[in-house]
Amino acid sequence: NAGVTQTPKFQVLKTGQSMTLQCAQDMNHEYMSWYRQDPGMGLRLIHYSVGAGITDQGEVPNGYNVSRSTTEDFPLRLLSAAPSQTSVYFCASKADNYGYTFGSGTRLTVV
Amino acid sequence: AQSVTQPDIHITVSEGASLELRCNYSYGATPYLFWYVQSPGQGLQLLLKYFSGDTLVQGIKGFEAEFKRSQSSFNLRKPSVHWSDAAEYFCAVGANQAGTALIFGKGTTLSVSS
Repeated sequence: NAGVTQTPKFQVLKTGQSMTLQCAQDMNHEYMSWYRQDPGMGLRLIHYSVGAGITDQGEVPNGYNVSRSTTEDFPLRLLSAAPSQTSVYFCASKADNYGYTFGSGTRLTVV
Repeated sequence: AQSVTQPDIHITVSEGASLELRCNYSYGATPYLFWYVQSPGQGLQLLLKYFSGDTLVQGIKGFEAEFKRSQSSFNLRKPSVHWSDAAEYFCAVGANQAGTALIFGKGTTLSVSS
């Protein structure tokens, strides 16, 4: 099992560009989430999903879109990147009564 | 709203000494509680979790945590710290009844001195 796979690992964007951060899991987990991690802020929840076709907003959803067309994939879209979105992004998945398994992260810089 | 407070930003412990990292949460119902560890440049690894039942939970790497409802706390402990335990530690609470949306504290950085 690969676990939770995030691509790319590093990305530099110009302000106003769009991009999609990919997240895939091969554990047949129903629940998936996206977090951003900034120094001194811990991890903040962006969006989460409780199953295919079902998503909900977290603490900091503005500027991000998600969709969940399959159990395996949960992409995060930045429609118009801003410098404030410079961060490390983590995707995670879980099954019932277990903790989340995290991917290795995507380090995004918006210039 | 649910929240998690980790009062200590940075803690230094001597190798072999005991460790306690504090975590206080705010949640209206019985919480789902977690501790994660993150080594530099890495993702997060689950140390232990509490859903219900015995309030003292055992985790990996010799860690344990105790849920105290009266104090809204879930402190992490280890009897003897190893140099490899130096990392950042995050406490988290499930923000909904299914525990599917986690709210994290801001983390505590642990340094281990020789």
